[in-house]
Amino acid sequence: DADVTQTPRNRITKTGKRIMLECSQTKGHDRMYWYRQDPGLGLRLIYYSFDVKDINKGEISDGYSVSRQAQAKFSLSLESAIPNQTALYFCATSAGFGYNSPLHFGNGTRLTVT
Amino acid sequence: QKEVEQNSGPLSVPEGAIASLNCTYSDRVSQSFFWYRQYSGKSPELIMSIYSNGDKEDGRFTAQLNKASQYVSLLIRDSQPSDSATYLCAVSYGTASKLTFGTGTRLQVTL
Repeated sequence: DADVTQTPRNRITKTGKRIMLECSQTKGHDRMYWYRQDPGLGLRLIYYSFDVKDINKGEISDGYSVSRQAQAKFSLSLESAIPNQTALYFCATSAGFGYNSPLHFGNGTRLTVT
Repeated sequence: QKEVEQNSGPLSVPEGAIASLNCTYSDRVSQSFFWYRQYSGKSPELIMSIYSNGDKEDGRFTAQLNKASQYVSLLIRDSQPSDSATYLCAVSYGTASKLTFGTGTRLQVTL
């Protein structure tokens, strides 16, 4: 079983719909992250959380919100989806910071907004 | 704005050759550096991390860091077709463990 599990793997939704992407982990890491990946733009940080009570915006948080329901669960919501939110979304975890604490990624959710 | 720059490629090398992937970064207070490999449609997986100047070797992979020149590279020796993927350079700043990623270099290993 994957250490970092994302659901769904693929999702097609319509403009204006609310959608939630879920992430759960069994690695026991405190730090969790949401990234999106677009062709030519690389991975960009949306939100990150260092524990259940700590939520921080990343570089592209507009149009997104998150919820850290437990140490192991971190959800990303699009309140009103728009086509330019079509992307590959990754959840990631880390044990801490520095070169000994790399990011561990989930398998990704491919989201298409029509 | 902290930036990480990579040549998008594709970089094409014959099987058995050395592939050299390069990355430059803009912020001198960068602390840790990572190379991830990503196959098409898959998640990034860690290849190597490095934080001190010099070379770090792990099997066929060598990471090289030169902080004075703000340059980090990844060498892949004896390149195999299975090494064909996009290689992402990532740089961490401070204690937040946030990584800034380059856009990646696509490597093609030809038979």
